[in-house]
Amino acid sequence: DAKTTQPNSMESNEEEPVHLPCNHSTISGTDYIHWYRQLPSQGPEYVIHGLTSNVNNRMASLAIAEDRKSSTLILHRATLRDAAVYYCILDGGSQGNLIFGKGTKLSVKP
Amino acid sequence: GAGVSQSPRYKVAKRGQDVALRCDPISGHVSLFWYQQALGQGPEFLTYFQNEAQLDKSGLPSDRFFAERPEGSVSTLKIQRTQQEDSAVYLCASSVFLQELGQPQHFGDGTRLSIL
Repeated sequence: DAKTTQPNSMESNEEEPVHLPCNHSTISGTDYIHWYRQLPSQGPEYVIHGLTSNVNNRMASLAIAEDRKSSTLILHRATLRDAAVYYCILDGGSQGNLIFGKGTKLSVKP
Repeated sequence: GAGVSQSPRYKVAKRGQDVALRCDPISGHVSLFWYQQALGQGPEFLTYFQNEAQLDKSGLPSDRFFAERPEGSVSTLKIQRTQQEDSAVYLCASSVFLQELGQPQHFGDGTRLSIL
Protein backbone atom coordinates (compact mmCIF):
# COMPACT_ATOMS: atom_id res chain seq x y z
CA ASP A 1 0.00 0.00 0.00
CA ALA A 2 1.27 3.46 -0.86
CA LYS A 3 2.46 5.45 2.15
CA THR A 4 2.71 9.12 2.99
CA THR A 5 5.23 11.12 4.99
CA GLN A 6 4.22 14.19 6.96
CA PRO A 7 5.95 16.33 9.59
CA ASN A 8 4.91 15.39 13.11
CA SER A 9 3.92 18.91 14.05
CA MET A 10 3.62 22.47 12.76
CA GLU A 11 2.77 25.81 14.27
CA SER A 12 0.95 28.72 12.75
CA ASN A 13 -0.29 32.13 13.79
CA GLU A 14 -3.94 32.94 13.65
CA GLU A 15 -5.15 34.54 10.40
CA GLU A 16 -1.99 33.55 8.54
CA PRO A 17 -1.84 30.96 5.74
CA VAL A 18 -0.68 27.45 6.55
CA HIS A 19 0.99 25.05 4.14
CA LEU A 20 0.93 21.43 5.27
CA PRO A 21 3.26 19.23 3.20
CA CYS A 22 2.92 15.56 2.34
CA ASN A 23 5.30 13.29 0.46
CA HIS A 24 4.02 10.23 -1.35
CA SER A 25 6.82 9.13 -3.64
CA THR A 26 5.37 5.65 -4.27
CA ILE A 27 1.94 6.88 -5.36
CA SER A 28 0.36 4.92 -8.18
CA GLY A 29 -1.44 6.41 -11.14
CA THR A 30 -4.90 5.70 -9.79
CA ASP A 31 -4.37 6.77 -6.16
CA TYR A 32 -6.43 9.72 -5.01
CA ILE A 33 -4.83 12.04 -2.44
CA HIS A 34 -7.14 12.64 0.51
CA TRP A 35 -6.83 15.01 3.42
CA TYR A 36 -8.74 14.56 6.63
CA ARG A 37 -8.40 16.35 9.93
CA GLN A 38 -9.25 15.30 13.43
CA LEU A 39 -10.10 17.73 16.17
CA PRO A 40 -9.69 16.62 19.79
CA SER A 41 -12.30 14.08 20.90
CA GLN A 42 -13.92 13.99 17.47
CA GLY A 43 -13.84 11.64 14.52
CA PRO A 44 -11.83 12.51 11.40
CA GLU A 45 -13.40 15.09 9.13
CA TYR A 46 -13.02 15.11 5.36
CA VAL A 47 -11.19 18.18 4.10
CA ILE A 48 -10.41 17.75 0.43
CA HIS A 49 -9.21 15.26 -2.16
CA GLY A 50 -7.71 15.28 -5.63
CA LEU A 51 -6.11 13.16 -8.29
CA THR A 52 -3.93 15.29 -10.55
CA SER A 53 -5.16 18.86 -10.70
CA ASN A 54 -5.15 21.40 -7.88
CA VAL A 55 -8.45 21.55 -6.01
CA ASN A 56 -10.22 24.26 -4.05
CA ASN A 57 -13.19 24.09 -1.72
CA ARG A 58 -14.61 26.18 1.09
CA MET A 59 -12.27 24.65 3.64
CA ALA A 60 -8.92 24.54 1.89
CA SER A 61 -6.89 24.18 -1.28
CA LEU A 62 -4.89 21.20 -2.40
CA ALA A 63 -1.80 21.70 -4.51
CA ILE A 64 -0.49 18.57 -6.20
CA ALA A 65 3.01 18.40 -7.66
CA GLU A 66 3.26 17.70 -11.35
CA ASP A 67 4.90 14.31 -10.72
CA ARG A 68 2.28 13.64 -7.98
CA LYS A 69 4.99 12.59 -5.54
CA SER A 70 4.05 15.34 -3.11
CA SER A 71 1.14 17.57 -2.25
CA THR A 72 0.38 20.52 0.00
CA LEU A 73 -2.77 21.34 1.90
CA ILE A 74 -3.27 25.07 2.13
CA LEU A 75 -5.39 26.74 4.78
CA HIS A 76 -5.70 30.31 3.59
CA ARG A 77 -6.34 31.94 6.98
CA ALA A 78 -5.79 29.76 10.00
CA THR A 79 -8.19 30.10 12.88
CA LEU A 80 -7.99 28.64 16.37
CA ARG A 81 -10.60 26.08 15.29
CA ASP A 82 -8.18 24.73 12.69
CA ALA A 83 -5.95 23.30 15.41
CA ALA A 84 -6.12 19.57 14.72
CA VAL A 85 -4.21 16.55 13.44
CA TYR A 86 -4.14 16.61 9.65
CA TYR A 87 -3.85 13.33 7.78
CA CYS A 88 -2.67 12.94 4.20
CA ILE A 89 -3.93 9.61 2.86
CA LEU A 90 -3.79 7.70 -0.39
CA ASP A 91 -6.50 5.30 -1.48
CA GLY A 92 -4.79 2.21 -0.19
CA GLY A 93 -7.37 -0.47 0.43
CA SER A 94 -8.96 -2.67 -2.16
CA GLN A 95 -12.34 -1.77 -0.72
CA GLY A 96 -11.53 1.91 -0.36
CA ASN A 97 -10.63 1.82 3.31
CA LEU A 98 -8.36 4.68 4.36
CA ILE A 99 -4.84 3.97 5.60
CA PHE A 100 -3.96 6.65 8.12
CA GLY A 101 -0.45 7.53 9.28
CA LYS A 102 0.27 9.64 12.35
CA GLY A 103 -0.51 12.91 10.61
CA THR A 104 0.66 16.45 11.37
CA LYS A 105 -0.47 18.09 14.56
CA LEU A 106 -1.18 21.72 13.74
CA SER A 107 -1.10 24.27 16.56
CA VAL A 108 -2.52 27.74 15.95
CA LYS A 109 -1.37 30.61 18.13
CA PRO A 110 -3.58 33.65 18.73
CA GLY B 1 -28.47 17.03 8.29
CA ALA B 2 -27.80 14.04 10.51
CA GLY B 3 -24.29 12.71 10.43
CA VAL B 4 -22.92 9.35 11.52
CA SER B 5 -24.05 8.59 15.05
CA GLN B 6 -22.25 6.21 17.42
CA SER B 7 -23.34 4.95 20.80
CA PRO B 8 -22.44 4.76 23.54
CA ARG B 9 -19.99 7.63 23.52
CA TYR B 10 -18.03 6.06 26.36
CA LYS B 11 -17.98 2.47 27.56
CA VAL B 12 -16.17 1.03 30.56
CA ALA B 13 -16.05 -2.73 30.93
CA LYS B 14 -14.23 -5.22 33.06
CA ARG B 15 -11.78 -7.56 31.41
CA GLY B 16 -13.60 -10.62 30.15
CA GLN B 17 -16.94 -8.91 29.56
CA ASP B 18 -18.60 -8.69 26.16
CA VAL B 19 -19.37 -5.26 24.67
CA ALA B 20 -21.47 -4.06 21.74
CA LEU B 21 -20.88 -0.77 19.95
CA ARG B 22 -23.50 0.73 17.66
CA CYS B 23 -23.17 2.79 14.50
CA ASP B 24 -25.99 4.63 12.69
CA PRO B 25 -24.62 5.69 9.29
CA ILE B 26 -25.92 8.52 7.17
CA SER B 27 -29.19 7.46 5.59
CA GLY B 28 -28.70 5.97 2.14
CA HIS B 29 -24.97 5.38 2.51
CA VAL B 30 -24.09 2.01 1.08
CA SER B 31 -20.55 1.66 2.43
CA LEU B 32 -19.75 1.38 6.12
CA PHE B 33 -16.35 1.08 7.76
CA TRP B 34 -15.12 0.40 11.29
CA TYR B 35 -11.76 1.69 12.48
CA GLN B 36 -9.84 1.36 15.75
CA GLN B 37 -7.78 4.26 17.07
CA ALA B 38 -5.25 3.77 19.84
CA LEU B 39 -4.10 6.75 21.86
CA GLY B 40 -1.78 9.00 19.86
CA GLN B 41 -2.14 6.95 16.68
CA GLY B 42 -4.11 7.32 13.48
CA PRO B 43 -7.20 5.18 12.95
CA GLU B 44 -6.67 1.63 11.70
CA PHE B 45 -9.10 -0.22 9.46
CA LEU B 46 -11.07 -3.09 10.96
CA THR B 47 -13.83 -4.09 8.57
CA TYR B 48 -15.99 -2.94 5.65
CA PHE B 49 -19.63 -3.48 4.65
CA GLN B 50 -21.36 -2.84 1.38
CA ASN B 51 -25.04 -2.83 2.34
CA GLU B 52 -25.45 -5.93 4.52
CA ALA B 53 -22.50 -7.80 3.03
CA GLN B 54 -19.25 -7.81 4.98
CA LEU B 55 -16.75 -7.67 2.14
CA ASP B 56 -13.55 -7.20 4.08
CA LYS B 57 -12.76 -8.15 7.67
CA SER B 58 -9.02 -8.37 7.27
CA GLY B 59 -8.37 -5.74 9.92
CA LEU B 60 -10.19 -7.45 12.77
CA PRO B 61 -7.45 -8.24 15.31
CA SER B 62 -8.85 -11.54 16.55
CA ASP B 63 -11.86 -13.83 16.41
CA ARG B 64 -13.16 -12.06 19.51
CA PHE B 65 -14.17 -9.19 17.23
CA PHE B 66 -17.38 -9.54 15.27
CA ALA B 67 -19.31 -7.00 13.20
CA GLU B 68 -22.70 -7.14 11.56
CA ARG B 69 -25.03 -4.97 9.52
CA PRO B 70 -28.08 -7.21 9.05
CA GLU B 71 -30.39 -4.78 7.24
CA GLY B 72 -27.78 -2.72 5.47
CA SER B 73 -28.12 0.30 7.72
CA VAL B 74 -27.25 0.15 11.43
CA SER B 75 -24.08 -1.76 12.28
CA THR B 76 -22.86 -3.31 15.52
CA LEU B 77 -19.29 -4.11 16.47
CA LYS B 78 -19.11 -6.74 19.16
CA ILE B 79 -16.07 -7.63 21.19
CA GLN B 80 -16.19 -10.81 23.23
CA ARG B 81 -14.10 -11.55 26.31
CA THR B 82 -12.55 -8.09 26.27
CA GLN B 83 -8.86 -7.63 27.02
CA GLN B 84 -7.01 -4.52 28.17
CA GLU B 85 -5.41 -4.12 24.75
CA ASP B 86 -8.90 -3.61 23.32
CA SER B 87 -9.02 -0.20 25.01
CA ALA B 88 -9.24 2.33 22.17
CA VAL B 89 -11.61 4.63 20.33
CA TYR B 90 -13.75 2.76 17.82
CA LEU B 91 -14.78 4.87 14.85
CA CYS B 92 -17.47 4.21 12.30
CA ALA B 93 -17.55 5.85 8.87
CA SER B 94 -19.97 5.72 5.98
CA SER B 95 -19.88 6.81 2.37
CA VAL B 96 -22.25 6.89 -0.55
CA PHE B 97 -20.64 4.09 -2.52
CA LEU B 98 -17.08 3.30 -3.42
CA GLN B 99 -17.48 2.06 -6.95
CA GLU B 100 -15.61 5.20 -7.88
CA LEU B 101 -12.47 5.80 -5.88
CA GLY B 102 -12.16 9.06 -4.06
CA GLN B 103 -15.54 9.19 -2.35
CA PRO B 104 -15.12 10.90 1.03
CA GLN B 105 -15.94 9.04 4.19
CA HIS B 106 -18.05 10.60 6.93
CA PHE B 107 -16.99 9.66 10.45
CA GLY B 108 -18.82 9.52 13.72
CA ASP B 109 -17.19 10.80 16.90
CA GLY B 110 -16.44 7.28 18.06
CA THR B 111 -16.93 5.16 21.13
CA ARG B 112 -14.14 5.36 23.69
CA LEU B 113 -13.79 1.89 25.18
CA SER B 114 -11.88 1.40 28.41
CA ILE B 115 -11.20 -2.09 29.72
CA LEU B 116 -10.36 -2.31 33.40
